[in-house]
Amino acid sequence: GAVVSQHPSRVICKSGTSVKIECRSLDFQATTMFWYRQFPKKSLMLMATSNEGSKATYEQGVEKDKFLINHASLTLSTLTVTSAHPEDSSFYICSANEQGSGSPLHFGNGTRLTVT
Amino acid sequence: DQQVKQNSPSLSVQEGRISILNCDYTNSMFDYFLWYKKYPAEGPTFLISISSIKDKNEDGRFTVFLNKSAKHLSLHIVPSQPGDSAVYFCAAYNAGKSTFGDGTTLTVKP
Repeated sequence: GAVVSQHPSRVICKSGTSVKIECRSLDFQATTMFWYRQFPKKSLMLMATSNEGSKATYEQGVEKDKFLINHASLTLSTLTVTSAHPEDSSFYICSANEQGSGSPLHFGNGTRLTVT
Repeated sequence: DQQVKQNSPSLSVQEGRISILNCDYTNSMFDYFLWYKKYPAEGPTFLISISSIKDKNEDGRFTVFLNKSAKHLSLHIVPSQPGDSAVYFCAAYNAGKSTFGDGTTLTVKP
């Protein structure tokens, strides 16, 4: 089946630094990828939709200058958390549709970010 | 306003019995409903879906029921197995986006 790879799985960084998270579709091309954030015991909150070759679409309340998204190829999207603060500590997870809009999402294994 | 709700944070059942996980939604424009299963330290994996024009979809031990008038869907797992123990997310799809519930942690006791 389709595989989405996310890296790193865990990262610890200091306040004020930036962290880049990569999301790759390994055996299919994804023109669209989705970035979610999950708080403890809460649902997956959609942060933004990453569009290959164009700007990402951010959900209301998500700072686009804080969470930079780049989707430079059909198999790679990156999320950069800039000037990280402890409140950015969370579980970030990416996903993509293999068969286009409406088909089930394939998720990466997520990245646990801890900002100290 | 949370559009997809899973009101039971946890459910515990005995192996071999039926597990019923519930989900309510508020947006009548949702086209598809999906269930995902998530183990710790892993991303969710797709389990089963149902179109908004159907009322039932079955796949092996898993059956999803949709009651559009009540804006309610449920996932039935029978017979439940210890390996089914995981967090189950209900999701609803419309206009290119999937909206998730908070999840229900299912524990199947041997």
